[in-house]
Amino acid sequence: DQQVKQNSPSLSVQEGRISILNCDYTNSMFDYFLWYKKYPAEGPTFLISISSIKDKNEDGRFTVFLNKSAKHLSLHIVPSQPGDSAVYFCAAILVYQTYGQNFVFGPGTRLSVLP
Amino acid sequence: EAQVTQNPRYLITVTGKKLTVTCSQNMNHEYMSWYRQDPGLGLRQIYYSMNVEVTDKGDVPEGYKVSRKEKRNFPLILESPSPNQTSLYFCASSTLTRFGHEQFFGPGTRLTVL
Repeated sequence: DQQVKQNSPSLSVQEGRISILNCDYTNSMFDYFLWYKKYPAEGPTFLISISSIKDKNEDGRFTVFLNKSAKHLSLHIVPSQPGDSAVYFCAAILVYQTYGQNFVFGPGTRLSVLP
Repeated sequence: EAQVTQNPRYLITVTGKKLTVTCSQNMNHEYMSWYRQDPGLGLRQIYYSMNVEVTDKGDVPEGYKVSRKEKRNFPLILESPSPNQTSLYFCASSTLTRFGHEQFFGPGTRLTVL
């Protein structure tokens, strides 16, 4: 059973509009949540993160919202640009102070921004 | 330039023939890990390493080995590859900070086991 879920395999948005990518998780002990963007033939690149003690983090056009009671986070991209077209992975981290950290990734959502 | 490198980028092999995928980072990161990406499953962690000589299993370690003899290198070893190990593999590294444990990923290795 997947601990991190992204229920929309794909999303299409018009250029200039808002893109909202959603992610749900099952483990309330996760310490951090991150979003990664992946272009074809490249490794994922870090986009934005949020600590479990916060409910919002903003970086330019990207904002991540965390709703701990609903175990839900979302990534908002405003305004969307054609270069944002990529696969977006949601990830959650459990930090073990003495022996490591466990990263759990969702299956990804393919975002297409149409000109 | 800060980067994570993997070699080879593409590999086709046959069942049972031992292979090693190398991973190297130049950022002096303590933490390194290996993932495989499969359709509909996202990235699943195979093994990770907190530092030199410290490794541990991730979610899907069966059929894989790793070693961490130097801080910069973290090779992935398939002693006897099988077709179900056909996948896209990513190596990643990170430092451990209180701001989120961001990982840097390599470009990926596409492995096909016939």
